[in-house]
Amino acid sequence: AQSVTQLGSHVSVSEGALVLLRCNYSSSVPPYLFWYVQYPNQGLQLLLKYTSAATLVKGINGFEAEFKKSETSFHLTKPSAHMSDAAEYFCAVSVALGNFNKFYFGSGTKLNVKP
Amino acid sequence: GAVVSQHPSRVICKSGTSVKIECRSLDFQATTMFWYRQFPKQSLMLMATSNEGSKATYEQGVEKDKFLINHASLTLSTLTVTSAHPEDSSFYICSARGGEADTQYFGPGTRLTVL
Repeated sequence: AQSVTQLGSHVSVSEGALVLLRCNYSSSVPPYLFWYVQYPNQGLQLLLKYTSAATLVKGINGFEAEFKKSETSFHLTKPSAHMSDAAEYFCAVSVALGNFNKFYFGSGTKLNVKP
Repeated sequence: GAVVSQHPSRVICKSGTSVKIECRSLDFQATTMFWYRQFPKQSLMLMATSNEGSKATYEQGVEKDKFLINHASLTLSTLTVTSAHPEDSSFYICSARGGEADTQYFGPGTRLTVL
């Protein structure tokens, strides 16, 4: 069975501080892992994805995530937060089903950036 | 990246009426599209998988007669909420499988409010 757990529904950081959003997954097969960002009343925008290549994945807007199989984690980080990073972030795992992948989403983490 | 649009972005309707939401892939062909529902402060829940030219596959607990899905072409899928009730009020988001089988691109969402 597949599942995603995001620790912390709300994270608050100061502008310029490190951003760390946690994601742990459970998958019975080698997973594909994703981070998406959602701004208010908008759909999801892909930040980055891990598909069994390099374990450290770099995404847009300065975000990156590291796949750690031993810890079943895929935490999202950014060295220096910007006000525009305030949004909700979703971690997802996908599993191949025939010729497409089914996605399972975490419950989301809302990031607040303080001036 | 791949672009997915949804129309309308916001709709308000009376209880008992039907509402149709369109999802289009603008710059790629999508043999598979997905419909999600997102309740306030919650994650996305997959409702159904829509395959071009065939019947949709619904997730457990989703009423197929209430949420009619049609995937008539490689760039268009529609979700019709029939006989809508206030409890159907939600944010509906579609996604389309892009050129890579492992990635989904999301539409901006449709906010449905049933009075």
